[in-house]
Parts: sequence; structure tokens; C-alpha cells
Amino acid sequence: DIQMTQSPASLSASLGETVTIECRASEDIYNGLAWYQQKPGKSPQLLIYNANSLHTGVPSRFSGSGSGTQYSLKINSLQSEDVASYFCQQYYDYDTFGAGTKLELK
Amino acid sequence: EVQLVESGGGLVQPGRSLKLSCVASGFTFNNYWMTWIRQAPGKGLEWVASITNTGGSTYYPDSVKGRFTISRDNAKSTLYLQMNSLRSEDTATYYCTRDSPTGPFDYWGQGVMVTVSS
Repeated sequence: DIQMTQSPASLSASLGETVTIECRASEDIYNGLAWYQQKPGKSPQLLIYNANSLHTGVPSRFSGSGSGTQYSLKINSLQSEDVASYFCQQYYDYDTFGAGTKLELK
Repeated sequence: EVQLVESGGGLVQPGRSLKLSCVASGFTFNNYWMTWIRQAPGKGLEWVASITNTGGSTYYPDSVKGRFTISRDNAKSTLYLQMNSLRSEDTATYYCTRDSPTGPFDYWGQGVMVTVSS
């Protein structure tokens, strides 16, 4: 099974700041990587797929990058509505998720 | 507008069974694979079961294999999850999701809570 290691587990940032969250796969997942945002009490929403493609309707301040086993999600100019938990997911070989990153405002 | 609406959750004793349903609308249901994902309270996300668009093939992780069965009725645009021999560790919110053609889950239901406790 492919394991996904996500970091950091929690993050505190100021409005307008740039934030980066990382995910490392236990083996090459060939860009089969998605990022989800989950606001408190809500279901997850797809942000990024294929490592760097923005899902329909997602603001352009979100971006994804990476290859092989290392991937990252960047949020530019942090907004208050970005307070949420973020999860990575590999879908190259079945489906496994990272443990999540809780993003709060400083 | 794509909508996925789950139902059937509740409190159930260990060892008993429960069946979840998910009614889909806003898209051609029989064109898409579908998947159940769960999230234990305060925890991360776990893949539970997937089914092809025709229902001809199903997939499970070891944690639920032999206990859970995913199925679908394309005429009713409805996805199901039959859960048998439930354990306390199955306590979670269960989400119905649509598999996008590129791989990830592009739409999620609101979730339904399942609590396994005596």
C-alpha cells in the first residue's frame, strides 16, 4: 500500500501570507495526486488534481506542484475563508490520504 | 447541479448491520464510478469501497473486505453500502463520492454518521 506523509499537521498564518503544505508518497505516484479542502462541519472539496491542475471554480491563489514522491500545495495571499483542513490523496494505486493539515489564522 | 444525498446512518450495536444509500442527481449516474469514503471523528479520510459504472467490479481495502458490500442501481441513480459485522472502529461519517474520469473525487455528499456502540 502507498503511504502518504503530510506536513505540517497544523499551521498558523496571517492574512495575506503565503502558505505551503507538503505531501510525500512512499513510492512514485506519477502525479496521481489531489488536494482537498475541508471546512469545519462540511464535506471535503476538490482543489487540485493531477498534482497541478486547478479544479473548476477554485480560486487561482491555490496551486499545486511536485512530481515523483514529493508534492506541495501553495496558497498565495491567505484569505479568512481559507481557514480549513487540507488533505492530500494519491490515486495512482487505489486511494490513500494524508493525515491532514489544519490551517488557522494567526 | 451535481447532488449526492446520503441516508441510512444511525446508532447500531457491534456485530449488527446497517445499509447506507446515496441518491445522485445532476449527472448521468451510469457513466461514473462511485466511491464511499469515511472519516472517524476528528480524524482523517479513509477509502472504504469503490464500484465501476456498470457495477461489474468492486474494490475494498483490507479493513472492510468481507464485511462491507458496495452496490448500485443505475435505474434509480442510487449507490449503496451494506455494512455487516460492524465494529466500534467503523464509527465515522460516511461520504458518497463521484470518481472523476481523471482519478480524484470531484463531488462529495454531505455525509451520514454511523455510530457503532453498545
